Amino acid sequence: DVKVTQSSRYLVKRTGEKVFLECVQDMDHENMFWYRQDPGLGLRLIYFSYDVKMKEKGDIPEGYSVSREKKERFSLILESASTNQTSMYLCASRSQGARGTGELFFGEGSRLTVL
Amino acid sequence: AQRVTQPEKLLSVFKGAPVELKCNYSYSGSPELFWYVQYSRQRLQLLLRHISRESIKGFTADLNKGETSFHLKKPFAQEEDSAMYYCALSGLGTALIFGKGTTLSVSS
Repeated sequence: DVKVTQSSRYLVKRTGEKVFLECVQDMDHENMFWYRQDPGLGLRLIYFSYDVKMKEKGDIPEGYSVSREKKERFSLILESASTNQTSMYLCASRSQGARGTGELFFGEGSRLTVL
Repeated sequence: AQRVTQPEKLLSVFKGAPVELKCNYSYSGSPELFWYVQYSRQRLQLLLRHISRESIKGFTADLNKGETSFHLKKPFAQEEDSAMYYCALSGLGTALIFGKGTTLSVSS
């Protein structure tokens, strides 16, 4: 059974704190993604990675950075959390198919509240 | 630019009624289209993709390139279909772009 695991389901942080969101997949997928999910705004892509140590900006990268040191792990970092980063964060992974597309497998999400 | 539009935030129907969740897209090449679903307290999961041309849980979706649409349909809604539905688009080698989602509420 495929699995994408996000280490923290719920976090509460204070403005200015550094926040790490960890994501691990056990499917040997090349591609990993971070989205944020907000009511009325849907899923918006923050960053994605096609391979170890590679990263690409998504639609809303400002205020975020990522790290992919190992194939199975993709971390999202908020260097200095702000209240407008209060959101549900979803990690996803997929294999690199012939067309470069394929089913996305999602984690359960990390709900971050910044006070 | 790639864009996915789901015009309805909320769709409320009665059990047994037909359902159509609308999705329109903007993409210059040949996209791959998906519908993802999120049931209450569950993770987001794939419902169906246009290249499979299959029916999942009674849902179907046909890609209409002329109208750039990929509407999701089911002839008879069930209460267990209540969920958030997202239409998504992917071009070759690109990340999936999602619409804003439509909440489907099926009541008896």
